[in-house]
Amino acid sequence: DGGITQSPKYLFRKEGQNVTLSCEQNLNHDAMYWYRQDPGQGLRLIYYSQIVNDFQKGDIAEGYSVSREKKESFPLTVTSAQKNPTAFYLCASSGLTGVTTEAFFGQGTRLTVV
Amino acid sequence: AQSVTQPDIHITVSEGASLELRCNYSYGATPYLFWYVQSPGQGLQLLLKYFSGDTLVQGIKGFEAEFKRSQSSFNLRKPSVHWSDAAEYFCAGYNFGNEKLTFGTGTRLTIIP
Repeated sequence: DGGITQSPKYLFRKEGQNVTLSCEQNLNHDAMYWYRQDPGQGLRLIYYSQIVNDFQKGDIAEGYSVSREKKESFPLTVTSAQKNPTAFYLCASSGLTGVTTEAFFGQGTRLTVV
Repeated sequence: AQSVTQPDIHITVSEGASLELRCNYSYGATPYLFWYVQSPGQGLQLLLKYFSGDTLVQGIKGFEAEFKRSQSSFNLRKPSVHWSDAAEYFCAGYNFGNEKLTFGTGTRLTIIP
């Protein structure tokens, strides 16, 4: 089935460690997004990418990094520079052509710093 | 800044009552607008979308939304809510200028018997 897959579902990280969240899609979508969700703050955009080998900072990019080496994959690295990384992270993808730009979401990764 | 705003953080309605969730947008041109629903600990599911044309759009699960340019609003409605509608609802807008998909802060819906 076509869809977008995030892994792992739960992730624990020690302070000072980098950690990478996986996001894979088989929808042939050009655009991919990473959002962070905290209670009462909605979804805040971290990074987004419209094409392979290109990406842009969102509203809260500090302490995060991404890569887009393949159309299907858009991994997010939470670095030790991110001061408060505990959150729910959502990956999404969308098409860019035609009349639709609706985003399809993965099931999320809950990251906890211990 | 171009954005969407959801003024209600939390709404409680009785089962069987009607529902309206508010969303206001701030874009120079008409954006693409969306409503999503999220169950706890899950990803987001698209309820409906507006691109152009008919300003009243129908979605899944009996939801509809009306685009009102004069009020810069895109409110979500349902004539009769069910207990299973309890969830968090997000309004979103796509900006063609910077190709960003931006979400409101969400409205949590509680259903009481």
